[in-house]
Amino acid sequence: DTGVSQDPRHKITKRGQNVTFRCDPISEHNRLYWYRQTLGQGPEFLTYFQNEAQLEKSRLLSDRFSAERPKGSFSTLEIQRTEQGDSAMYLCASSLRTSGIVDNEQFFGPGTRLTVL
Amino acid sequence: DQQVKQNSPSLSVQEGRISILNCDYTNSMFDYFLWYKKYPAEGPTFLISISSIKDKNEDGRFTVFLNKSAKHLSLHIVPSQPGDSAVYFCAASDPYNQGGKLIFGQGTELSVKP
Repeated sequence: DTGVSQDPRHKITKRGQNVTFRCDPISEHNRLYWYRQTLGQGPEFLTYFQNEAQLEKSRLLSDRFSAERPKGSFSTLEIQRTEQGDSAMYLCASSLRTSGIVDNEQFFGPGTRLTVL
Repeated sequence: DQQVKQNSPSLSVQEGRISILNCDYTNSMFDYFLWYKKYPAEGPTFLISISSIKDKNEDGRFTVFLNKSAKHLSLHIVPSQPGDSAVYFCAASDPYNQGGKLIFGQGTELSVKP
Protein backbone atom coordinates (compact mmCIF):
# COMPACT_ATOMS: atom_id res chain seq x y z
CA ASP A 1 0.00 0.00 0.00
CA THR A 2 1.65 3.16 -1.21
CA GLY A 3 -0.67 5.75 0.28
CA VAL A 4 -3.93 7.50 -0.43
CA SER A 5 -5.01 7.39 -4.06
CA GLN A 6 -7.61 9.48 -5.85
CA ASP A 7 -9.27 9.06 -9.21
CA PRO A 8 -9.47 10.85 -11.55
CA ARG A 9 -6.60 13.29 -11.14
CA HIS A 10 -8.24 15.81 -13.42
CA LYS A 11 -11.85 16.34 -14.45
CA ILE A 12 -13.22 18.92 -16.84
CA THR A 13 -16.97 19.18 -17.04
CA LYS A 14 -19.66 21.50 -18.25
CA ARG A 15 -21.83 23.44 -15.86
CA GLY A 16 -24.87 21.44 -14.84
CA GLN A 17 -23.26 18.02 -15.22
CA ASN A 18 -22.75 15.56 -12.37
CA VAL A 19 -19.29 14.36 -11.38
CA THR A 20 -18.06 11.66 -9.03
CA PHE A 21 -14.63 11.30 -7.48
CA ARG A 22 -13.16 8.29 -5.76
CA CYS A 23 -10.71 8.03 -2.87
CA ASP A 24 -8.92 4.92 -1.68
CA PRO A 25 -7.39 5.48 1.76
CA ILE A 26 -4.44 3.74 3.36
CA SER A 27 -5.83 0.28 4.03
CA GLU A 28 -5.66 0.17 7.83
CA HIS A 29 -6.96 3.71 8.29
CA ASN A 30 -10.44 4.01 9.74
CA ARG A 31 -10.97 7.74 9.19
CA LEU A 32 -11.40 9.34 5.79
CA TYR A 33 -11.70 13.07 5.10
CA TRP A 34 -12.63 15.23 2.14
CA TYR A 35 -11.26 18.75 1.75
CA ARG A 36 -11.50 21.35 -0.98
CA GLN A 37 -8.71 23.74 -1.91
CA THR A 38 -8.95 26.82 -4.08
CA LEU A 39 -6.09 28.93 -5.38
CA GLY A 40 -4.23 30.80 -2.68
CA GLN A 41 -6.08 29.12 0.16
CA GLY A 42 -5.46 26.21 2.44
CA PRO A 43 -7.59 23.07 2.29
CA GLU A 44 -11.10 23.54 3.67
CA PHE A 45 -12.84 20.69 5.45
CA LEU A 46 -15.91 19.23 3.75
CA THR A 47 -16.79 15.99 5.54
CA TYR A 48 -15.34 12.95 7.26
CA PHE A 49 -16.09 9.32 7.98
CA GLN A 50 -15.11 6.95 10.70
CA ASN A 51 -15.42 3.54 9.11
CA GLU A 52 -18.70 3.79 7.16
CA ALA A 53 -20.33 6.42 9.38
CA GLN A 54 -20.32 10.02 8.17
CA LEU A 55 -19.63 11.92 11.38
CA GLU A 56 -19.59 15.52 10.24
CA LYS A 57 -20.44 17.67 7.25
CA SER A 58 -19.30 21.23 6.79
CA ARG A 59 -21.81 23.96 6.02
CA LEU A 60 -19.70 24.42 2.89
CA LEU A 61 -21.19 21.15 1.67
CA SER A 62 -24.37 22.16 -0.12
CA ASP A 63 -27.19 19.76 -0.94
CA ARG A 64 -25.57 19.20 -4.33
CA PHE A 65 -22.67 17.42 -2.63
CA SER A 66 -22.92 13.91 -1.29
CA ALA A 67 -20.26 11.58 0.03
CA GLU A 68 -20.37 7.89 0.83
CA ARG A 69 -18.10 5.28 2.29
CA PRO A 70 -20.29 2.19 1.98
CA LYS A 71 -17.99 -0.50 3.30
CA GLY A 72 -15.67 1.59 5.37
CA SER A 73 -12.94 1.38 2.74
CA PHE A 74 -13.02 3.62 -0.36
CA SER A 75 -15.17 6.74 -0.54
CA THR A 76 -16.93 8.64 -3.31
CA LEU A 77 -17.76 12.33 -3.49
CA GLU A 78 -20.48 13.30 -5.94
CA ILE A 79 -21.33 16.81 -7.06
CA GLN A 80 -24.64 17.23 -8.81
CA ARG A 81 -25.48 20.08 -11.18
CA THR A 82 -21.95 21.45 -11.07
CA GLU A 83 -21.40 25.20 -10.98
CA GLN A 84 -18.34 27.21 -11.96
CA GLY A 85 -17.74 27.95 -8.29
CA ASP A 86 -17.18 24.24 -7.71
CA SER A 87 -13.90 24.44 -9.62
CA ALA A 88 -11.21 23.50 -7.10
CA MET A 89 -8.82 20.78 -6.01
CA TYR A 90 -10.66 18.09 -4.06
CA LEU A 91 -8.38 16.38 -1.56
CA CYS A 92 -8.92 13.16 0.31
CA ALA A 93 -7.03 12.23 3.46
CA SER A 94 -7.04 9.29 5.82
CA SER A 95 -5.90 8.64 9.36
CA LEU A 96 -5.91 5.96 11.99
CA ARG A 97 -7.99 6.96 14.96
CA THR A 98 -6.89 5.10 18.06
CA SER A 99 -8.02 5.41 21.63
CA GLY A 100 -6.66 8.46 23.31
CA ILE A 101 -7.07 12.18 23.15
CA VAL A 102 -5.01 13.32 20.21
CA ASP A 103 -5.84 12.34 16.66
CA ASN A 104 -3.08 11.11 14.45
CA GLU A 105 -1.83 12.99 11.45
CA GLN A 106 -3.79 12.81 8.23
CA PHE A 107 -2.21 11.53 5.05
CA PHE A 108 -3.37 13.19 1.87
CA GLY A 109 -3.88 11.89 -1.62
CA PRO A 110 -2.76 13.79 -4.74
CA GLY A 111 -6.18 15.37 -5.23
CA THR A 112 -8.67 15.64 -8.08
CA ARG A 113 -8.62 18.94 -9.91
CA LEU A 114 -12.11 19.86 -11.10
CA THR A 115 -12.69 22.48 -13.76
CA VAL A 116 -16.27 23.47 -14.48
CA LEU A 117 -16.70 25.30 -17.78
CA ASP B 1 -13.78 33.61 10.16
CA GLN B 2 -10.16 32.59 9.66
CA GLN B 3 -9.24 30.62 12.76
CA VAL B 4 -5.73 29.81 11.54
CA LYS B 5 -3.71 32.51 9.84
CA GLN B 6 -0.43 32.56 8.01
CA ASN B 7 0.19 36.22 7.38
CA SER B 8 3.20 35.85 5.11
CA PRO B 9 2.20 34.59 1.67
CA SER B 10 5.83 34.10 0.69
CA LEU B 11 9.32 33.82 2.11
CA SER B 12 12.68 33.76 0.36
CA VAL B 13 15.76 32.35 2.09
CA GLN B 14 19.34 31.61 1.08
CA GLU B 15 20.43 27.99 1.05
CA GLY B 16 22.00 26.99 4.36
CA ARG B 17 20.26 29.70 6.35
CA ILE B 18 17.30 29.32 8.69
CA SER B 19 13.72 29.48 7.41
CA ILE B 20 11.09 30.58 9.93
CA LEU B 21 7.45 30.18 9.01
CA ASN B 22 4.83 31.63 11.31
CA CYS B 23 1.24 30.78 12.11
CA ASP B 24 -1.33 32.36 14.43
CA TYR B 25 -4.61 30.94 15.63
CA THR B 26 -7.61 32.35 17.42
CA ASN B 27 -9.40 29.32 18.87
CA SER B 28 -8.01 28.52 22.31
CA MET B 29 -9.63 25.08 22.11
CA PHE B 30 -7.13 23.94 19.49
CA ASP B 31 -4.76 21.52 21.11
CA TYR B 32 -2.98 19.76 18.27
CA PHE B 33 -1.04 21.47 15.53
CA LEU B 34 0.55 20.19 12.35
CA TRP B 35 2.70 21.46 9.51
CA TYR B 36 2.26 20.21 5.97
CA LYS B 37 4.37 20.81 2.88
CA LYS B 38 2.85 20.93 -0.59
CA TYR B 39 4.47 20.75 -4.00
CA PRO B 40 2.50 21.77 -7.11
CA ALA B 41 0.12 19.09 -8.40
CA GLU B 42 0.57 16.97 -5.26
CA GLY B 43 -1.37 16.61 -2.05
CA PRO B 44 -0.03 18.03 1.22
CA THR B 45 2.64 15.94 2.91
CA PHE B 46 2.81 15.76 6.69
CA LEU B 47 5.99 17.25 8.17
CA ILE B 48 5.77 17.59 11.92
CA SER B 49 3.21 18.04 14.67
CA ILE B 50 2.98 19.26 18.23
CA SER B 51 0.54 18.75 21.04
CA SER B 52 -0.51 21.66 23.21
CA ILE B 53 1.11 20.06 26.22
CA LYS B 54 4.51 20.72 24.64
CA ASP B 55 6.22 23.90 23.54
CA LYS B 56 8.75 22.37 21.17
CA ASN B 57 9.06 19.36 18.93
CA GLU B 58 12.08 18.57 16.80
CA ASP B 59 12.57 16.19 13.89
CA GLY B 60 15.85 16.46 12.05
CA ARG B 61 16.10 19.84 10.36
CA PHE B 62 12.53 20.74 11.35
CA THR B 63 11.49 22.20 14.70
CA VAL B 64 8.06 23.46 15.64
CA PHE B 65 7.61 25.90 18.52
CA LEU B 66 4.28 26.54 20.21
CA ASN B 67 3.47 29.60 22.31
CA LYS B 68 0.01 28.96 23.70
CA SER B 69 -0.33 32.27 25.52
CA ALA B 70 0.31 34.10 22.26
CA LYS B 71 -1.63 31.56 20.18
CA HIS B 72 1.34 31.35 17.89
CA LEU B 73 3.40 28.59 16.38
CA SER B 74 6.40 28.59 14.12
CA LEU B 75 8.30 26.13 11.98
CA HIS B 76 12.08 26.42 11.82
CA ILE B 77 14.03 24.73 9.05
CA VAL B 78 17.78 24.60 9.60
CA PRO B 79 19.69 24.48 7.35
CA SER B 80 17.36 25.32 4.47
CA GLN B 81 17.84 23.41 1.23
CA PRO B 82 16.58 24.14 -2.30
CA GLY B 83 14.39 21.02 -2.08
CA ASP B 84 12.51 22.68 0.78
CA SER B 85 10.99 25.12 -1.71
CA ALA B 86 7.24 24.49 -1.49
CA VAL B 87 4.07 25.85 0.07
CA TYR B 88 3.85 25.22 3.82
CA PHE B 89 0.52 25.00 5.62
CA CYS B 90 -0.06 25.01 9.32
CA ALA B 91 -3.15 23.24 10.58
CA ALA B 92 -4.91 22.91 13.91
CA SER B 93 -7.45 20.57 15.38
CA ASP B 94 -9.84 20.57 18.31
CA PRO B 95 -10.61 16.90 18.76
CA TYR B 96 -12.96 17.38 21.70
CA ASN B 97 -15.36 19.70 19.93
CA GLN B 98 -14.58 19.49 16.24
CA GLY B 99 -13.74 15.86 15.76
CA GLY B 100 -10.84 14.97 13.54
CA LYS B 101 -11.03 17.76 11.02
CA LEU B 102 -8.08 20.05 10.45
CA ILE B 103 -8.35 23.81 10.09
CA PHE B 104 -5.68 25.09 7.72
CA GLY B 105 -3.99 28.43 7.27
CA GLN B 106 -3.65 30.01 3.84
CA GLY B 107 -0.11 28.79 3.33
CA THR B 108 3.33 30.36 2.95
CA GLU B 109 5.35 29.77 -0.19
CA LEU B 110 8.98 29.18 0.72
CA SER B 111 11.69 29.71 -1.86
CA VAL B 112 15.21 28.55 -0.97
CA LYS B 113 17.78 30.01 -3.32
CA PRO B 114 21.11 28.27 -3.99
